[in-house]
Amino acid sequence: SYVLTQPPSVSLAPGQTARITCEGYNIGSKSVHWYQRKPGQAPVLVVYNDGDRPSGIPERFSGSNSGNTATLTISRVEAGDEADYYCQMWDSSSDHRVFGGGTILTVL
Amino acid sequence: EVQLVESGGGLVQPGRSLRLSCAASGFTFDDYAMHWVRQTPGKGLEWVSGISWNSGHIAYADSVRGRFTIYRDDAKNSLFLQMNSLRAEDTALYYCAKSLGSMVDGLDYWGLGTLVTVSS
Repeated sequence: SYVLTQPPSVSLAPGQTARITCEGYNIGSKSVHWYQRKPGQAPVLVVYNDGDRPSGIPERFSGSNSGNTATLTISRVEAGDEADYYCQMWDSSSDHRVFGGGTILTVL
Repeated sequence: EVQLVESGGGLVQPGRSLRLSCAASGFTFDDYAMHWVRQTPGKGLEWVSGISWNSGHIAYADSVRGRFTIYRDDAKNSLFLQMNSLRAEDTALYYCAKSLGSMVDGLDYWGLGTLVTVSS
């Protein structure tokens, strides 16, 4: 089955740019979605179809996807961005929705 | 305002059954695919099952196929997950989620979840 690999954690200071990667075979040919999950809260869709933003999501959140890597970029990171971030795609060969293992973003 | 409210979770013994419900409001329910996603304690998100707008396309994770059944009642704006032969590894917080459109699209609204604990 298709596997999406994310780094377990990313740490950086406020104001820096966070780049969270999601690796999968030829993922650039698929649509990738990104979710933010904070403790005790429902997950929130922050980027869909590689780089589109739902209404209400700040422009600081952006996405890209090419080759074997999709990337969620969060510019000018704030303390409120601390959360777990998950990439996700649909694997048509198995007819499964696949999530990455998640990345814990820590703002120092 | 879109709202998804899950119910039906609880403590259940291994091998028993449970039915989860998700009450939807604030959107045209029968226009969208719906999914169940679970979060196991201390771990990440795991997709469980999805159903298209007209129930013509249904899919399951390998870990639950043959034990779980997803279905929807559009007249009641409700999504369901019938869980049979429950195992300890099914213990999780179960979320109901709305798709942006089709089965493959991103999930733009989620409920707060209902907790299922499988233990003797």
